[in-house]
Amino acid sequence: AQSVSQHNHHVILSEAASLELGCNYSYGGTVNLFWYVQYPGQHLQLLLKYFSGDPLVKGIKGFEAEFIKSKFSFNLRKPSVQWSDTAEYFCAVNAGGNNRLAFGKGNQVVVIP
Amino acid sequence: DAGITQSPRHKVTETGTPVTLRCHQTENHRYMYWYRQDPGHGLRLIHYSYGVKDTDKGEVSDGYSVSRSKTEDFLLTLESATSSQTSVYFCAISESIGMGEKLFFGSGTQLSVL
Repeated sequence: AQSVSQHNHHVILSEAASLELGCNYSYGGTVNLFWYVQYPGQHLQLLLKYFSGDPLVKGIKGFEAEFIKSKFSFNLRKPSVQWSDTAEYFCAVNAGGNNRLAFGKGNQVVVIP
Repeated sequence: DAGITQSPRHKVTETGTPVTLRCHQTENHRYMYWYRQDPGHGLRLIHYSYGVKDTDKGEVSDGYSVSRSKTEDFLLTLESATSSQTSVYFCAISESIGMGEKLFFGSGTQLSVL
């Protein structure tokens, strides 16, 4: 079964700091990779996704992620965070096109003004 | 936002009682999912459906059953609720994750089992 690991479950940083959230998965075949964000009191929404092509993916609100196949990783980055980026971030992996999505445990990010 | 409606939005019930949560979509998407979200566990798949009357178990299916008699409706039933099933339940839909399509999520149902 596919599994997804996210580290540093709680992250606190100041506005304008850079953010990087790690995501590793355990599946050796073809994968589709996603990052979802959940703002306080809201449902999950898509930040960005990788399906094929350029391994550096740009998403909404200045976020980007890089797929490194050799490292089984899909880390999320943002060069300069804002207070409004306070949220929980989930990495998710679809393995082998089976139409199921496995989620990591999430990163709770708090940005201090 | 995608047309997904979950009902009820909040539910308080007692241990041992049956509970049914409803997910209704207006997008005509083939795939529907039920997840539960718990602190420290992220989202875990309970059951999913790949068509009318076609369902399969997820990673935490014990104590839950589902039904999909119409494309637009996916019901999650707790036959006899337990306190461990206190959680936030999210319904999600997709055209095809395997083809890189994303999941659209509903607003969630907060269930408390006393």
